[in-house]
Amino acid sequence: SQTIHQWPATLVQPVGSPLSLECTVEGTSNPNLYWYRQAAGRGLQLLFYSVGIGQISSEVPQNLSASRPQDRQFILSSKKLLLSDSGFYLCAWSVGGRHTGELFFGEGSRLTVL
Amino acid sequence: GQNIDQPTEMTATEGAIVQINCTYQTSGFNGLFWYQQHAGEAPTFLSYNVLDGLEEKGRFSSFLSRSKGYSYLLLKELQMKDSASYLCAVTDSNYQLIWGAGTKLIIKP
Repeated sequence: SQTIHQWPATLVQPVGSPLSLECTVEGTSNPNLYWYRQAAGRGLQLLFYSVGIGQISSEVPQNLSASRPQDRQFILSSKKLLLSDSGFYLCAWSVGGRHTGELFFGEGSRLTVL
Repeated sequence: GQNIDQPTEMTATEGAIVQINCTYQTSGFNGLFWYQQHAGEAPTFLSYNVLDGLEEKGRFSSFLSRSKGYSYLLLKELQMKDSASYLCAVTDSNYQLIWGAGTKLIIKP
């Protein structure tokens, strides 16, 4: 069966510090991978998605970046965090090659920037 | 612009039935999803509608009317564990998922 894990689950970071959130998927090959951010009372905001290794599409210009060094690994990074980066970050995957498949989410990472 | 509207919060009684509505205005349509999200947790898939009509899955059913840009999620025999947020999401003509802000459902004994 397929599983998805992301970590860390929670983190508190000072403004200006770097960030690295990691996500891995097991039990499937060539998945579509996504990073979302969820702010309180608002819909999920798509940050990045990837259909293959090294292929990253950015939906929202900001100080975050994403990388896909391996087929089932997706990393969200920042060189310098802003207060506005606080939120609940979710990694997700869907079956590759399909446009309308359901999303399977990781456990989420709650980031607080102070 | 693209928009998904759903009520912010609803309250229902254990054992009862509740209907959560979702209306959408998107550039094209390629399917509608409902997800359940418990507080502090990730969303989990509930249902998918791409054709008009009712899809039933146990205590949960989802309805779609493409001509009206309208869907609802029907929850029967409510249990306390159904207290959660319910997210409506639509896939547009570019196969991008547009998310609603979610409906927080509170179940009272």
